Amino acid sequence: NAGVTQTPKFQVLKTGQSMTLQCAQDMNHEYMSWYRQDPGMGLRLIHYSVGAGITDQGEVPNGYNVSRSTTEDFPLRLLSAAPSQTSVYFCASSYKGTGASPLHFGNGTRLTVT
Amino acid sequence: KQEVTQIPAALSVPEGENLVLNCSFTDSAIYNLQWFRQDPGKGLTSLLLIQSSQREQTSGRLNASLDKSSGRSTLYIAASQPGDSATYLCAVMTDSWGKLQFGAGTQVVVTP
Repeated sequence: NAGVTQTPKFQVLKTGQSMTLQCAQDMNHEYMSWYRQDPGMGLRLIHYSVGAGITDQGEVPNGYNVSRSTTEDFPLRLLSAAPSQTSVYFCASSYKGTGASPLHFGNGTRLTVT
Repeated sequence: KQEVTQIPAALSVPEGENLVLNCSFTDSAIYNLQWFRQDPGKGLTSLLLIQSSQREQTSGRLNASLDKSSGRSTLYIAASQPGDSATYLCAVMTDSWGKLQFGAGTQVVVTP
């Protein structure tokens, strides 16, 4: 039972480079989301999806793109990395709708942009 | 805009004491409130989920209460152990799809 799997675990980028953070879940969850966690600021929502082909912006979407072509996968793309995007990124998923389903998190990707 | 606050930011207690962690939120229109545990360098683990119609939830030594009218939740951990040392985060679900607004967390250290 893999749950939510994120790759890579660590990444170092130079300013201006692009990359994709991968997220996959095997629980058939409709809802998937990306958060970033910065010291003293808690987790902030970047983008989310309520099903294949449906995505929307969260609180801090600038500089990031997402797509949802399958129920299982929800990749996060950094278009042109900036030092301000140095953070820990978490992918999370849940069943949607009733408010009774807890959010399941991956183990995170620690990204450093130099 | 919903704001979630956790006070204190850090807490240290001797082993065996009961832990009381506080969470407050500004908008009572929530779908649920969730408590998570985060160990250093790890992801978040769901501890308890209280639906908006509920007043409390219990799991083992953990008990969480919810008072929507006052915008407060409290997580109680009975008879704390060094293994309870972690950061505890609360989050409120703000729409039916699953969006969560998080507090910044309380870092707990339980000393032997």
